[in-house]
Amino acid sequence: DGGITQSPKYLFRKEGQNVTLSCEQNLNHDAMYWYRQDPGQGLRLIYYSQIVNDFQKGDIAEGYSVSREKKESFPLTVTSAQKNPTAFYLCASSIDLGSYEQYFGPGTRLTVT
Amino acid sequence: AQSVTQPDIHITVSEGASLELRCNYSYGATPYLFWYVQSPGQGLQLLLKYFSGDTLVQGIKGFEAEFKRSQSSFNLRKPSVHWSDAAEYFCAVYRDDKIIFGKGTRLHILP
Repeated sequence: DGGITQSPKYLFRKEGQNVTLSCEQNLNHDAMYWYRQDPGQGLRLIYYSQIVNDFQKGDIAEGYSVSREKKESFPLTVTSAQKNPTAFYLCASSIDLGSYEQYFGPGTRLTVT
Repeated sequence: AQSVTQPDIHITVSEGASLELRCNYSYGATPYLFWYVQSPGQGLQLLLKYFSGDTLVQGIKGFEAEFKRSQSSFNLRKPSVHWSDAAEYFCAVYRDDKIIFGKGTRLHILP
């Protein structure tokens, strides 16, 4: 089955630690995205990538970093500089950046205490 | 600035009743519009999309939406809701290679 996997489903970290969220897709999509979701806030774009070894900041990139070394993978690191990291994180992909339809993974809920 | 507004944070309807979820957008030209659904703790699934042409679009799970340029609206409708429709619904618009999401409307279903 083609799709997007995110792991783990739940993640707990202590404040001050960096944490990396995994996102893998086997849809052969060029473009990938990371969103943050907070209750009542909708989805906000953190980073996106249209091709391997290239990525762009979204609307709320501060405190986050990404890499795109393989087409299938787009991991997100939540650094200790992110002031309020507890949230639900969603990864998505699309055929390319100009494609309007995005496919979403199941999400990772990160809790930092 | 372009934005998507979903004026209702929560909507409660009885099972079997009709449903309309509101969405308004602000944009200078005809936008590309979407409705997504999210079950609790899950990712988003595309319900339907509007790019051009017929202003009434059909989607999955029996949903439809109507684009009204004069009202800058793209409301989602379903004639008869099922308990399984309880979820959060997001209206979205495409701009500059990005999708801009509304803040969502949570739908509750009464038995």
